[in-house]
Amino acid sequence: AQKITQTQPGMFVQEKEAVTLDCTYDTSDQSYGLFWYKQPSSGEMIFLIYQGSYDEQNATEGRYSLNFQKARKSANLVISASQLGDSAMYFCAMRVRGGGSNYKLTFGKGTLLTVNP
Amino acid sequence: EAGVTQFPSHSVIEKGQTVTLRCDPISGHDNLYWYRRVMGKEIKFLLHFVKESKQDESGMPNNRFLAERTGGTYSTLKVQPAELEDSGVYFCASSQDIALPVEPKNIQYFGAGTRLSVL
Repeated sequence: AQKITQTQPGMFVQEKEAVTLDCTYDTSDQSYGLFWYKQPSSGEMIFLIYQGSYDEQNATEGRYSLNFQKARKSANLVISASQLGDSAMYFCAMRVRGGGSNYKLTFGKGTLLTVNP
Repeated sequence: EAGVTQFPSHSVIEKGQTVTLRCDPISGHDNLYWYRRVMGKEIKFLLHFVKESKQDESGMPNNRFLAERTGGTYSTLKVQPAELEDSGVYFCASSQDIALPVEPKNIQYFGAGTRLSVL
């Protein structure tokens, strides 16, 4: 079975500083995808960044980067130059290619990030 | 381009009543998913449609839950009769396959969810 672990229920960071949100995963499959989503207080789940298991380079999207360490099964999200609008819940998720076209996501419990001015 | 739309945003019903949640996916997305987050727990997969066909419904809790996607466009999730433990936030997501040599990217885009409270 697949599992995502986010060990930080809450994190605080000062505005303009960088922050790392931890995510470890467990799967026996060789092919999988890792995702990070942001959920602000409005409730919508916003896709941030994707890393494929065969990608050799860490994914980056603007101020977001994914520190992918395959051997350690970790996929930490790094947010550089934090902004007040980054305050939100962040979810790490994994998709495993199952039989047929099984595309369901497995989520972690989330990390609540608070950016202080 | 419009994102995934869900309504209602909130629903408060009494135990034993029926509730129907609706999801409008991003136009052109063949894949549609339902997820649920019960308070304090992880977001859990419920089911997956490809167009109008149920591809995977392994996450549906029991037969009080019925999902449909007639015509392969919008989807409804009906809970009948609702129980207290059905309370939570129900998310809908949609995706369009983007084939890569090894791993399909398949980004799932989510709506804002429907918060269901069963009293």
